[in-house]
Order: sequence, then structure tokens, then C-alpha cells
Amino acid sequence: GAVVSQHPSWVICKSGTSVKIECRSLDFQATTMFWYRQFPKQSLMLMATSNEGSKATYEQGVEKDKFLINHASLTLSTLTVTSAHPEDSSFYICSARDGTAGSPLHFGNGTRLTVT
Amino acid sequence: DAKTTQPPSMDCAEGRAANLPCNHSTISGNEYVYWYRQIHSQGPQYIIHGLKNNETNEMASLIITEDRKSSTLILPHATLRDTAVYYCIVRVPFGNQFYFGTGTSLTVIP
Repeated sequence: GAVVSQHPSWVICKSGTSVKIECRSLDFQATTMFWYRQFPKQSLMLMATSNEGSKATYEQGVEKDKFLINHASLTLSTLTVTSAHPEDSSFYICSARDGTAGSPLHFGNGTRLTVT
Repeated sequence: DAKTTQPPSMDCAEGRAANLPCNHSTISGNEYVYWYRQIHSQGPQYIIHGLKNNETNEMASLIITEDRKSSTLILPHATLRDTAVYYCIVRVPFGNQFYFGTGTSLTVIP
């Protein structure tokens, strides 16, 4: 089955630093990748849609200058949390799908970000 | 994409079938129904999806009503490892965004 690998699985950083999270589709080409954020006891919130070779599309209320997304190849997308602050502490999850009609999204195992 | 409604929580005895309902009364003709589950602190796991016909795989069965306004995910023999939050999502075939609702928290009881 389709596998999405996300790295790192957890990271602790100091306030004001930047953190990069990688998302890779291991056995399929992902024309589109998605980034979600999840706070404790809440559902997943879509942050942005990442298309290979073009700019990401951000959901309303998500700061594009704070959450930089790069989708440089059909198997890799990165999310960089710039100038992280404690309120950015969350569970970040990426997902990917191939281009087949109706194909499901496949999710990475998430990255737990803690900003101190 | 169509909005879905799921009960917030359900219990199921271990070994029994777990039937998780989802209402999607505003679904349109080309929208698929997808089911995922999320175990604590992990990414969502794909379970099954369908358009009109009932579907079955090694994990579960998906029953879609004839009018497609609701569906039921069936876990035939629930185990303790099936305790998770289950999400029902509807989406057009080439639609990009998957929006998650609040899901159903299923607890399998020994």
C-alpha cells in the first residue's frame, strides 16, 4: 500500500528558531500533498495544499509567511515553521495522494512540535 | 464538499461487530465517501472508500444507502486495537481538500 513518511516524528525547539518537517511519498508520485495541524483533543485542521512545482494554497487564517511550504518534487514536500513560538506547539501531519480519480489520501505519522 | 455528521462516541464489546454511522445528506452524485481512523498521537489510517456500491476489504465493510445520504462502516469483529477516532469524509474525485469533522470516538470494551 501507499506509504507516506514524515520526519522528524518529534522535535523540541527554542522560541524564535525555525523548524523544518519533511514529508515523502515512498512508493508513489504525489502530485498534491496536504499539511494539517492538530491540537489536543481536536480534529485535524487543514493548513495548506501543496502542488508540485507551484505555490502552496493556504487555508483562511493560516499565515503563509510563518508556515513555508515547498513541494520541489513529486515525492517530497517540506513545511518550515519560521520563528516558532510556544503557541505553534502542535501535532503536524502531512498527507499525499496520487492523481487517480477518487484515490484516498495517505497520511504520515505526524510530527510533534514543542516550542519552549 | 458535503458536510458529514457522526455520533461523538460509541462503545462496542470486543469480538462484536462495530457499526459506525455517518450522515452525509447533502452529498452530490460524484462525491466519494472515505473512512479513516486515528489512534492517539498517530497519523490517520485509511480504512476504505466507496462511491455507490458497498465495499469490503480486509479491514472493514462500507455500506452506502441507495440514496447515498448515509453510510455505515462495519468492523466485523472489533478488537481492543480498534479503539480510535473514526472519521467519515466525502470528497469529489479530483477535489483536493479533505476536511475532517469531529469523528466518532470508538471504545472497544473487553
